[in-house]
Amino acid sequence: EAQVTQNPRYLITVTGKKLTVTCSQNMNHEYMSWYRQDPGLGLRQIYYSMNVEVTDKGDVPEGYKVSRKEKRNFPLILESPSPNQTSLYFCASRGLMNTEAFFGQGTRLTVV
Amino acid sequence: DAKTTQPTSMDCAEGRAANLPCNHSTISGNEYVYWYRQIHSQGPQYIIHGLKNNETNEMASLIITEDRKSSTLILPHATLRDTAVYYCIVIDSNYKLTFGKGTLLTVNP
Repeated sequence: EAQVTQNPRYLITVTGKKLTVTCSQNMNHEYMSWYRQDPGLGLRQIYYSMNVEVTDKGDVPEGYKVSRKEKRNFPLILESPSPNQTSLYFCASRGLMNTEAFFGQGTRLTVV
Repeated sequence: DAKTTQPTSMDCAEGRAANLPCNHSTISGNEYVYWYRQIHSQGPQYIIHGLKNNETNEMASLIITEDRKSSTLILPHATLRDTAVYYCIVIDSNYKLTFGKGTLLTVNP
């Protein structure tokens, strides 16, 4: 079954404690991206990757890092989380032709 | 990418067709129209996409006007489980999906 898997689904952490949200896809997609969703602001892109070792900033990259060492994985790293990064996060992947994007189930992060 | 305009909300009776409009008057020739929906706080789900011609799949139909400045997503027999926020997105080859506020479709029993 084609899917994008995020972990964890829920996370409560404290300010400044480094964390990683993992994202894995099984469709051999080249393009992967991270979004955050906040009430009233909708879905905003954080980072994206066109292929292995190729990453670039989206619309709201501050406070986040990503890596793309393997095609299937695209982890989102928060080196020093702050309360304003409390949000619902989605990972997505798609192929390079005009095809559909697949989204993960989301990670609800709370930073206290 | 071209900007899209959608109504904030719509209602539909269960079993009836739901017609969701989208305006994309600045669309360019190589830009596709995509529709996604998001049920509650789940990950967005792909519905359908098209370039010029009308498209149909098992979920919905997409009607694109001849001048491509607007489109309509049709759910032929809406059910309660179709209650969701529906996003109309126009993209070219840069692959980025830019989500607007979408249309909250409420299907009523």
